[in-house]
Amino acid sequence: EVQLVESGGGLVQPGGSLRLSCAASGFTFSSFWMTWVRQPPGKGLEWVASIKNDGSEKYYVDSVKGRFTLSRDNAKKSVYMEMNSLRAEDTAMYYCARGNGYAWGRGTLVTVSS
Amino acid sequence: DVVMTQSPLSLPVTLGQPASISCRSSQSLVSSDGNTYLNWFQQRPGQSPRRLIYKVSNRESGVPDRFSGSGSGTDFTLKISKVEAEDVGLYYCMQGTHWPRTFGQGTKVEIK
Repeated sequence: EVQLVESGGGLVQPGGSLRLSCAASGFTFSSFWMTWVRQPPGKGLEWVASIKNDGSEKYYVDSVKGRFTLSRDNAKKSVYMEMNSLRAEDTAMYYCARGNGYAWGRGTLVTVSS
Repeated sequence: DVVMTQSPLSLPVTLGQPASISCRSSQSLVSSDGNTYLNWFQQRPGQSPRRLIYKVSNRESGVPDRFSGSGSGTDFTLKISKVEAEDVGLYYCMQGTHWPRTFGQGTKVEIK
């Protein structure tokens, strides 16, 4: 069974940083793209970023380019998102997903507020 | 960026009756490999999204056959043949052909 478990969310002040992690199991992690999707409270889904199976390609939504950085460790079956210069509009539930959404984690909540 | 436009945004349905959600893209979703990467997701209240349909019309394992997807190019549809109580929630289309990936605004399905 595919499982994705996010962690690292929390309350952070504007301008601060957080590092989200997603631990995968139940599939050959090194064979798949991984994706982060976010959902602000009461709003719709927004694709944030994706990273290729070998880490050689990364894509980001414009609103996070230069502030968020994706990485992965295939030996640890984990993907990470370093989030810097956080803004109030980054407040959301952040979901980790395999590929184009085959499977999703339960999410980790990021709140940016003073 | 490819804009995905869903309609309607709210869909009250009687139990046992059919429901249909439209999703239109601002550009063709036909990929250079010939595939059309249009996905449909269901998000029940308080839950994570779940993919129902991939590549326009392919149902994920375990998805009831009352759900079906169709369409081509820029015009796509999700149909529920007979709505059940467990189908209440938000439904999103998402294109996986172009970067950045983009979602529709979501359609809220509720029981009348």
